[in-house]
Amino acid sequence: QLQLQESGPGLVKPSETLSLTCTVSGGSISIATYYWGWVRQPPGKGLEWIASIYYRGSTYYNPSLKSRVTMSVDTPKNQFSLKLSSLTAADTAVYYCARQIIPARFDYWGQGTLVTVSS
Amino acid sequence: QSALTQPASMSGSPGQSITISCTGTSSDLGSYNLVSWYQQHPGKAPKLMIYEGSKRPSGVSNRFSGSKSGNTASLTISGLQADDEAEYYCCSYAGDSTLLFGGGTNLIVL
Repeated sequence: QLQLQESGPGLVKPSETLSLTCTVSGGSISIATYYWGWVRQPPGKGLEWIASIYYRGSTYYNPSLKSRVTMSVDTPKNQFSLKLSSLTAADTAVYYCARQIIPARFDYWGQGTLVTVSS
Repeated sequence: QSALTQPASMSGSPGQSITISCTGTSSDLGSYNLVSWYQQHPGKAPKLMIYEGSKRPSGVSNRFSGSKSGNTASLTISGLQADDEAEYYCCSYAGDSTLLFGGGTNLIVL
């Protein structure tokens, strides 16, 4: 059974850069059928797609976040990562990593990790 | 890109059917038959319920069905059950490998 697990800091200061990693177990990240993505959810609000990556490194970003987002993939470690810069309180959210069946559906999700942006 | 439009809240009684709408534009939802629907219970990760407009993943009850007409997609839940009470989100492919979620609909089973 495929499992995804997010890891990273729970608290980050404004203006700093958030770094999150998603570790995939129970299956390979290097399969042509999938992208690997990040989705976030501010407390009490809806879902927002952040970005997705292909195992060969092609990246796809939400236009509204593109200037602040970088994704990378580490196939030997079966991990992919997210960096979000210039943080503000509006970036406080639960961040989910998920497997995306190309082109447009997420079938496996991590449990989510709450990131709070506060000084 | 603006979020797809969903009703904020809907309610129904056990056994009834309910239809949740999701409206986009001709640039996103209207241009592709790539709408998915997710169910989210409080504190849990979303669960895929419908993909490519009307297809059900293995294990999802046939009480859940999807359709699309023009710039609007719909999720219908028949024979409402208590466990269907949850937040429901639509998501559409929006071109250039980007995705767009709806604002979510809080479904209350009376």
